[in-house]
Amino acid sequence: SQQGEEDPQALSIQEGENATMNCSYKTSINNLQWYRQNSGRGLVHLILIRSNEREKHSGRLRVTLDTSKKSSSLLITASRAADTASYFCATVSNDYKLSFGAGTTVTVRA
Amino acid sequence: EAGVAQSPRYKIIEKRQSVAFWCNPISGHATLYWYQQILGQGPKLLIQFQNNGVVDDSQLPKDRFSAERLKGVDSTLKIQPAKLEDSAVYLCASSSAGKAETQYFGPGTRLLVL
Repeated sequence: SQQGEEDPQALSIQEGENATMNCSYKTSINNLQWYRQNSGRGLVHLILIRSNEREKHSGRLRVTLDTSKKSSSLLITASRAADTASYFCATVSNDYKLSFGAGTTVTVRA
Repeated sequence: EAGVAQSPRYKIIEKRQSVAFWCNPISGHATLYWYQQILGQGPKLLIQFQNNGVVDDSQLPKDRFSAERLKGVDSTLKIQPAKLEDSAVYLCASSSAGKAETQYFGPGTRLLVL
């Protein structure tokens, strides 16, 4: 099954800065989702973007999708210490199979 | 609205022993998923149920793993016998629709096989 690949694997930023992470995938998708996982906890759904959408916003989050390049990016603006977590992209194929990438670990320094 | 419940939260067993995990999804959610998350990796789908039927179990190691969802509500995942490489977090998730829309995850069960 296809799997998104996040880049970079790890990211360290100062509080207040923006954080950007990318996800690339191999085959056509129905939608792409981003999840956050805090240390030792379950995953929390952040945002879903469909294949016919190019950009979505949710609070301090901005997601873009470029289906021609088979890639997506997640931007977190004005980062806070509470944003320290692992972020995963999950691709949903046209037959609704979901695959997660390995994730980007984000550390926000005070 | 209560979230996805899982138990136990932690389990330590020796290899070749058996273990079972339980999941209760959000009320009314027809679709239930079990994932295995090995340290440093993303979750890997083991099995997906739609009500009490299996939709996808292509990545479930069927020689040792089994899962059931009786009455289309809660579910159990069993490993028998366990191997060292089964050490992981087992996550349960549910969604209201069957088309891989937003999934709601439980806190997971952390399994250590010695």
